[in-house]
Amino acid sequence: AQSVTQPDIHITVSEGASLELRCNYSYGATPYLFWYVQSPGQGLQLLLKYFSGDTLVQGIKGFEAEFKRSQSSFNLRKPSVHWSDAAEYFCAVGVENTDKLIFGTGTRLQVFP
Amino acid sequence: GAVVSQHPSRVICKSGTSVKIECRSLDFQATTMFWYRQFPKQSLMLMATSNEGSKATYEQGVEKDKFLINHASLTLSTLTVTSAHPEDSSFYICSASLLAVEQFFGPGTRLTVL
Repeated sequence: AQSVTQPDIHITVSEGASLELRCNYSYGATPYLFWYVQSPGQGLQLLLKYFSGDTLVQGIKGFEAEFKRSQSSFNLRKPSVHWSDAAEYFCAVGVENTDKLIFGTGTRLQVFP
Repeated sequence: GAVVSQHPSRVICKSGTSVKIECRSLDFQATTMFWYRQFPKQSLMLMATSNEGSKATYEQGVEKDKFLINHASLTLSTLTVTSAHPEDSSFYICSASLLAVEQFFGPGTRLTVL
C-alpha cells in the first residue's frame, strides 16, 4: 500500500537560515507528489507538485522540491526562511487509479528571529 | 483561479443537533469533492469522496448515517453532521478536484459541539 512518511514532527530554524523538510513515500510506479502548507486554523495551500519530467520542481513562496526515485524522497527546500513561513507542512502522494491523496503526518516549522 | 470556499468558517452547536457545512468551487466545475477531518496537531483524515449526482464513497470507519454528504451540483457539496456530539468537534476541510489527483482545498470549518 502507498504511504507517506515525514520523519520530522517539529523543526525550528532561525530566520534567514536554509530549510529542508523530509518526505519519503512508498509507491511502485512514478508517484504524483505534493507539498502543502497550512497556517493555524486555515485550509491547505499547494506549494508545489510533481507529476513527471524535471525532478527539481519550483513552487510558490521560494520553495522547491526534488524528486529522487532512488531514495523514494521528495524533500522540500528553501534557501532562506522568513518568519512568515512558520506553519505546518504536509507532503502527500496521489493514490493510484483514484483521485485520492495520502497525507504525511506533517512537520511543524517554527522560525525564530 | 481554482478557489474553494467553505461556509461557515466556525460553528458552535448543542449536542444532539445537526450541522450543515457547505463547500463550493467558485471558479471551476469540480469533478470530485472530498471531505476531510483534522484533529488538533494531526494530519488530514479522508472521510469521503463525492461526485456530482451520485452517492458518496465513505472511507472505512466513517459512519455514513452520521456524516451525510450531498453533492448537488458540480460546484456545491454539503456535509451534514447529524445528531452531533462533543466527540464530533473537529476541523472539517473540503477539497475539490479539477483534474485527476490535484485537489484544491477550502479554508476549513471549525465545529464545536457543546
